[in-house]
Amino acid sequence: GNSVTQMEGPVTLSEEAFLTINCTYTATGYPSLFWYVQYPGEGLQLLLKATKADDKGSNKGFEATYRKETTSFHLEKGSVQVSDSAVYFCALSSPDKLIFGTGTRLQVFP
Amino acid sequence: GAVVSQHPSWVICKSGTSVKIECRSLDFQATTMFWYRQFPKQSLMLMATSNEGSKATYEQGVEKDKFLINHASLTLSTLTVTSAHPEDSSFYICSAPGQALNTEAFFGQGTRLTVV
Repeated sequence: GNSVTQMEGPVTLSEEAFLTINCTYTATGYPSLFWYVQYPGEGLQLLLKATKADDKGSNKGFEATYRKETTSFHLEKGSVQVSDSAVYFCALSSPDKLIFGTGTRLQVFP
Repeated sequence: GAVVSQHPSWVICKSGTSVKIECRSLDFQATTMFWYRQFPKQSLMLMATSNEGSKATYEQGVEKDKFLINHASLTLSTLTVTSAHPEDSSFYICSAPGQALNTEAFFGQGTRLTVV
């Protein structure tokens, strides 16, 4: 069945460091891929998405490229801020519900 | 984007009592809503799918009689935790799917349930 695997956290970085959170997936067909962010005590918010191979989703300085050949959708940001501290979830559409990874906690220190 | 409102945002109840959590789609109709439980190490577990006008579909291992789900209208789904126990303490989140296949889902703000 469809599944999503993302790197375990926590990921701890200093402000302005480069961020990569790995995400790989297993799926039949052509799912859409998503990154969601969850700030403390809140629900999930869509961060970015990509609907087909080679698409790049981007938002708030975050980027992820839908790589069909490596079945990956890694999240990157060139310079993180303290305010980016949150839990990040990779997900794929299946197709009427989302399959989530386990989430990766990001902690950014000044 | 579409808005899903979940209420209450937090609740404390005594063991043995029941708690109802509401999930509303504010600016669109949702024939389906999903209920998740989030465990302390952050992973999301899909509990059930509520369907307007029919019975909810529960994931394996989720007790139907304990977690009652009702999808009363096209804009409201409720989760009732019956005879709550401390082990039911958790963060519960609802979501509504996008209007087309392979689109994003919209999430409520979550409800922190603490059973004492």
